[in-house]
Amino acid sequence: QTVVTQEPSFSVSPGGTVTLTCGLSSGSVSTNSYPTWCRQTPGQTPRTLMYNTNTRSSGVPDRFSGSILGNKAALTITGAQADDESVYYCVLYMESGTVVFGGGTKVTVL
Amino acid sequence: EVQLVESGGGLVQPGGSLRLSCTASGFTLNSYWMHWVRQVPGKGLVWVSRISPEGYGTTYAESVKGRFTISRDNAKNTLYLQMSSLRDEDTAVYYCARDPVRGLIVHWGQGTLVTVSS
Repeated sequence: QTVVTQEPSFSVSPGGTVTLTCGLSSGSVSTNSYPTWCRQTPGQTPRTLMYNTNTRSSGVPDRFSGSILGNKAALTITGAQADDESVYYCVLYMESGTVVFGGGTKVTVL
Repeated sequence: EVQLVESGGGLVQPGGSLRLSCTASGFTLNSYWMHWVRQVPGKGLVWVSRISPEGYGTTYAESVKGRFTISRDNAKNTLYLQMSSLRDEDTAVYYCARDPVRGLIVHWGQGTLVTVSS
């Protein structure tokens, strides 16, 4: 079974830039996987930030951007703020018609 | 405004059954793919199942295949998840979610907790 891989954690300084990546245990991520990025803070409902690789959800600031970097999907946060601390999940569509979430990346701003 | 409201969660014994509902408002349900996603408290998000706009196309995670059935009643603006042969490891918060016109999961419900325990 294909696994979606994400970095377990990342630390970024306030105002800094961080790029999270999302890969596959076998194969490459492309736009055909409809890469989607969601984030969740403890006790809260998940919120989708980015879908279709690089389309921001309503109300998401342009500090967030999505792309394909090499064989992975990527989410870049520029000008990191304290309230960006969260767990970020990547979601991919598989050719089988199933969907797989990555294990999440915990982002700390300090 | 898009709203998704889950209901039907609760305590059920191992081997039992439960049906979750997700009532949609603010959009026309029959135009969108819909999903169920679950999360064990303190753990990550796990996709469960997906259904096409008209209800004919469904896919499931291996862990629930043969035990869970996703369905929808577009006339009632409601998505369902029928869960049977429940196991301890099915204990989780269950979220319904909606795709955009093209792509994956853009809207989420608030979740309903299912606890499988004797």
